Amino acid sequence: AQSVTQLGSHVSVSEGALVLLRCNYSSSVPPYLFWYVQYPNQGLQLLLKYTTGATLVKGINGFEAEFKKSETSFHLTKPSAHMSDAAEYFCAVTGTSYGKLTFGQGTILTVHP
Amino acid sequence: GAGVSQSPSNKVTEKGKDVELRCDPISGHTALYWYRQSLGQGLEFLIYFQGNSAPDKSGLPSDRFSAERTGGSVSTLTIQRTQQEDSAVYLCASSLEGPGTDTQYFGPGTRLTVL
Repeated sequence: AQSVTQLGSHVSVSEGALVLLRCNYSSSVPPYLFWYVQYPNQGLQLLLKYTTGATLVKGINGFEAEFKKSETSFHLTKPSAHMSDAAEYFCAVTGTSYGKLTFGQGTILTVHP
Repeated sequence: GAGVSQSPSNKVTEKGKDVELRCDPISGHTALYWYRQSLGQGLEFLIYFQGNSAPDKSGLPSDRFSAERTGGSVSTLTIQRTQQEDSAVYLCASSLEGPGTDTQYFGPGTRLTVL
């Protein structure tokens, strides 16, 4: 079984500041990890994913995340926030032979000018 | 190219009525998933299709919920005798082949409101 915990349901940053969204997972098998973004009234869009190999993964819009097995974490970062980054972000895990995603509760990111 | 499409985008129904939600996956994608997004429960898996078969229906919340997929393409999620707790956004996603490494592409969702 898998589970995901996202620490902080709301995160607020200033434009140009570092973005850090936290995600911890639990999985009984080697996990595949994903970050999705959801803009208002839209579906989910993949930002990045970790499957195997390099533990630092880069995604779209300048986001990256690092898989840390010892900490069971997959935190999402971006060096400099932009107003257009304001959205809800979901961390998800799947460890099955098919892509049944288990999602965290989501983190709403607000970017202040 | 065309993404995942869902219809209707919004559906308002009365308690006790049946509703059908439609999903058109990306052409050629063999795997199709339904999820539900609600304020209380967050994003929950409902059902997984590989081709026309549904090897995992474990997320369907009750026997009022059913889904089918025909021709390895379009899928319909049916909710019978709707209840107020069924109000949610129903999201459909598809992926090329289905393993856990595949990227799932999501549709815009159907917002269901049960009065």
